[in-house]
Amino acid sequence: AQSVTQPDIHITVSEGASLELRCNYSYGATPYLFWYVQSPGQGLQLLLKYFSGDTLVQGIKGFEAEFKRSQSSFNLRKPSVHWSDAAEYFCAVGAGTSYDKVIFGPGTSLSVIP
Amino acid sequence: GAVVSQHPSWVICKSGTSVKIECRSLDFQATTMFWYRQFPKQSLMLMATSNEGSKATYEQGVEKDKFLINHASLTLSTLTVTSAHPEDSSFYICSASGLEGPNQPQHFGDGTRLSIL
Repeated sequence: AQSVTQPDIHITVSEGASLELRCNYSYGATPYLFWYVQSPGQGLQLLLKYFSGDTLVQGIKGFEAEFKRSQSSFNLRKPSVHWSDAAEYFCAVGAGTSYDKVIFGPGTSLSVIP
Repeated sequence: GAVVSQHPSWVICKSGTSVKIECRSLDFQATTMFWYRQFPKQSLMLMATSNEGSKATYEQGVEKDKFLINHASLTLSTLTVTSAHPEDSSFYICSASGLEGPNQPQHFGDGTRLSIL
């Protein structure tokens, strides 16, 4: 069965510093992978997705993620964090026969220090 | 594009009442809609998947009679929490996937915070 782990429950970084959020997945075939961001009390916004092709994926708000099949990882990165990036980040894997069912990881809470 | 509207955003009601939450796709036709429940500081748990015109598919452990889902049209799905009790208090989020083609991600509503007194 598909599953997603995010080893870091909470991360604190200084504004302007680089960021990497870790994500590992478990899936037998080629996975469909997503990163979503959730601000407090809000729904989810898609940052980026990987279906196939280039393993380095560019997303919105300056985020990127790299798919590494050998490590079963899909880590999210940003070179310079802004205070507005403080939020909850969810990695997810597509599941089901048409991959429209999504399994979410437990989330990583990001705090940004001014 | 791909906007999903969820209503209401916040509801408070007495124990024993039923509450209906609406999820609408505003600018696309949603062949499939999903309902999630999220507890504070936790991830999203899929409750059920609904396809237009057919019965919803519930995840294991979700009470079908407690959480009634109707997907009457390609733009509207509703979740009704029947005879709600304080333990049903939670953040409920819907999402929708449409006819844009295969492998398209879900589009999420802004969620409904349900508080049962």
